[in-house]
This record gives sequence, C-alpha cells and structure tokens, in this order.
Amino acid sequence: DVKVTQSSRYLVKRTGEKVFLECVQDMDHENMFWYRQDPGLGLRLIYFSYDVKMKEKGDIPEGYSVSREKKERFSLILESASTNQTSMYLCASSPRASWGEQYFGPGTRLTVT
Amino acid sequence: GQQVMQIPQYQHVQEGEDFTTYCNSSTTLSNIQWYKQRPGGHPVFLIQLVKSGEVKKQKRLTFQFGEAKKNSSLHITATQTTDVGTYFCAGFTGGGNKLTFGTGTQLKVEL
Repeated sequence: DVKVTQSSRYLVKRTGEKVFLECVQDMDHENMFWYRQDPGLGLRLIYFSYDVKMKEKGDIPEGYSVSREKKERFSLILESASTNQTSMYLCASSPRASWGEQYFGPGTRLTVT
Repeated sequence: GQQVMQIPQYQHVQEGEDFTTYCNSSTTLSNIQWYKQRPGGHPVFLIQLVKSGEVKKQKRLTFQFGEAKKNSSLHITATQTTDVGTYFCAGFTGGGNKLTFGTGTQLKVEL
C-alpha cells in the first residue's frame, strides 16, 4: 500500500514567517508534486520533481520554492508567508511522470494570519 | 495555459437518482483521469482513460472520453450516500508531464 505522509494536518503561521511543509512517500516513486486546493479552483500545481535535486515549476510557483534532497522527501517552502497563501496543500507521488495514478497525502491546511 | 472546466460545480440529488459531471479541456488530452475526494479527505484515483471514445465502467460508475479527446464525463447510476464527495477530472496534454485538474463537482446525496 502506497503511503504519502505530510508533516502537519493543520498549521497556523504569521505573515512574513518562513514555512516548511514536508512530504514523504514510501514507494520509491520518481515523481512528486505539490498542489494547493482552493474552493472553486480545483487543484493547482505549484511545483513538481521527477528526480532527486530536479524540480520544475507548475502553474502557480510564485511565492514558493521546493527542495528534494532525497528521493522519498519533497519539501515546499513559503519564503515569506502571506495571507493569500492560506489554503489546503496536497502532496502527491507517482511512479511515472505523464501516466497513471497519483497518490495523495492527507493534506496540510495552512492558515496565514 | 491549459484549462480544464467541470460542470456543474455543485449537484444535490435524492438517493437513487442519477448524476453526471462533465469535464471540458481547452486543449487535446493524451489521457484523462478521474479522482474522488470525500469530505475531509484527499483525492483518490478512480480510473484513467486513454483512447478516443473510450468507455469504462466500475459498478454504477460509467466514464467516457470524448472522440476529440477534449472532454470527458462521469455518470453515476442510482446514487447512494457513499457517493458523496467531490469528483475531479485531470488530464495530461500530449508530451506534457503536468496533470491539470478540473475545477471539480461537489455531489451531495440526500435520503
């Protein structure tokens, strides 16, 4: 059974703080993804990584950065959190980049005050 | 950029009624996936369609991929309370490795 875990289910941060969201998968998947989910907008891709130390921008990368130092771990970084980054953040992994199922973690609900 | 729209955004049905959600892409898709997200949960993969005009069934769920590979639909026959959730379509464009999600359809089923 594929398992994708995220470091926190709920997080409250202040404007301007640096925020780290961690994601770990246990199935040796090459590809990992960070999405944010907002009502009425579906899931929007922030960044993805197809290999260790490799990353590509998604559709909404502004204000975010990522790190993938180990295959199983993909971190999302908000350099200076802002209120418009209040959202649900979902991490996913998949064995192949443009084919097949993505496995999602439980999500982190981030509130920036 | 690629856009994937779904209609309706919300649907309330009585248990036993049928339900359909439609997915439309601004560009041709190489394949399309459907996910279900229960309230408070995360998206869970349901199915992937690849061929033009493809139809697949999973018990009461029927999935279709349009002939032009730009649209898709999910039909649920005789809804049950366990069908409650948000249904998302998601597609890859040819040669692309980014999965673009639709806006989702939230289904509520009343007894």
